[in-house]
Amino acid sequence: QKEVEQNSGPLSVPEGAIASLNCTYSDRVSQSFFWYRQYSGKSPELIMSIYSNGDKEDGRFTAQLNKASQYVSLLIRDSQPSDSATYLCAVNKVEAAGNKLTFGGGTRVLVKP
Amino acid sequence: EPEVTQTPSHQVTQMGQEVILRCVPISNHLYFYWYRQILGQKVEFLVSFYNNEISEKSEIFDDQFSVERPDGSNFTLKIRSTKLEDSAMYFCAGDRGADTQYFGPGTRLTVL
Repeated sequence: QKEVEQNSGPLSVPEGAIASLNCTYSDRVSQSFFWYRQYSGKSPELIMSIYSNGDKEDGRFTAQLNKASQYVSLLIRDSQPSDSATYLCAVNKVEAAGNKLTFGGGTRVLVKP
Repeated sequence: EPEVTQTPSHQVTQMGQEVILRCVPISNHLYFYWYRQILGQKVEFLVSFYNNEISEKSEIFDDQFSVERPDGSNFTLKIRSTKLEDSAMYFCAGDRGADTQYFGPGTRLTVL
């Protein structure tokens, strides 16, 4: 079983619509959850972090976490062409050794004008 | 706003050669990491480094790999004898512990 799973996409959404991305994880002791955006050939760029069950909103982005279902999602409201990228879900367990992130394979989002 | 920097942006090398990838983490970070991403694949953890020693490493991080922080600012990844399958983007990252990790722009390594 993969540790962090995402639908690879592409997820095609019209400009102005809501993009909904999902991620499931297998390790129940995961503590922190992150969404990164990655443009082609570039490094991951943090969008959102979420640590407790429920919703967290930041501008046009809302992250949702359900630890019982081992599920985290990202909503992008009012999608813009500049949101076209691959969105990476990452989880970690905070340990004395550090903060190793385990990434999903990413969901490619295409926002069509 | 401080940023993680990495050099070179692109490194081309012959199979069997040694390469050193360099990173300058954000100054108040305590934990440092290397990840790699083979083209079209997921980002994979290689190694974490804390208090001047390796704190965790993955199965990928075999004896051909080493890391060091020689001068308190630079953080390097050395690959002793490169293989074709080492071709990838290598990302350096850092954090203060138990919080957000920030990534550098990456080094594209091409092994011929």
